[in-house]
Amino acid sequence: KQEVTQIPAALSVPEGENLVLNCSFTDSAIYNLQWFRQDPGKGLTSLLLIQSSQREQTSGRLNASLDKSSGRSTLYIAASQPGDSATYLCAVRNPDKLIFGTGTRLQVFP
Amino acid sequence: DTAVSQTPKYLVTQMGNDKSIKCEQNLGHDTMYWYKQDSKKFLKIMFSYNNKELIINETVPNRFSPKSPDKAHLNLHINSLELGDSAVYFCASSQGQAPQPQHFGDGTRLSIL
Repeated sequence: KQEVTQIPAALSVPEGENLVLNCSFTDSAIYNLQWFRQDPGKGLTSLLLIQSSQREQTSGRLNASLDKSSGRSTLYIAASQPGDSATYLCAVRNPDKLIFGTGTRLQVFP
Repeated sequence: DTAVSQTPKYLVTQMGNDKSIKCEQNLGHDTMYWYKQDSKKFLKIMFSYNNKELIINETVPNRFSPKSPDKAHLNLHINSLELGDSAVYFCASSQGQAPQPQHFGDGTRLSIL
């Protein structure tokens, strides 16, 4: 049974710092991995999607990597801003459903 | 021009009542999902429909009954609501199944009194 874990559960950093969020999964037979952002009272916004054959994806200040064999993904946020404050979720797809991680609650203070 | 829309956004009701949550997507997708997010913010899939056919049915009480009148709609009906049903319910859609990305609605916060 696939289990997805995210570390840390919460993170508070000053503005401008580069930071890394971690996601690990127990079954490497995944189709893809998605990183989402969730703002309080809002839905999920898809940030990056990495197919199983890919190693990384980049969008603006975000970079996500995938190492299927070790069951790990990282989301790197460069030059963090207060507007980045949200909960970040990773989810793996295998095969018909998304299995979500536990989330990392990020707070970036000015 | 919202892609995946859910109604209502908030639903407060008493134990034992029956309620429905509606979901519509205008993306032309053929697959739709319902997820439940509990108080610890953990998201878990409940159901998935592809071309109006049920393809995923996780271990969910049979008080929960999804209905898909067409590819653009997937409604969730809940009978005899219980306190433990309090959660945020998210609808999502995708074009096909893996490896296509899923698009999510804003969620419906259900509170049982």
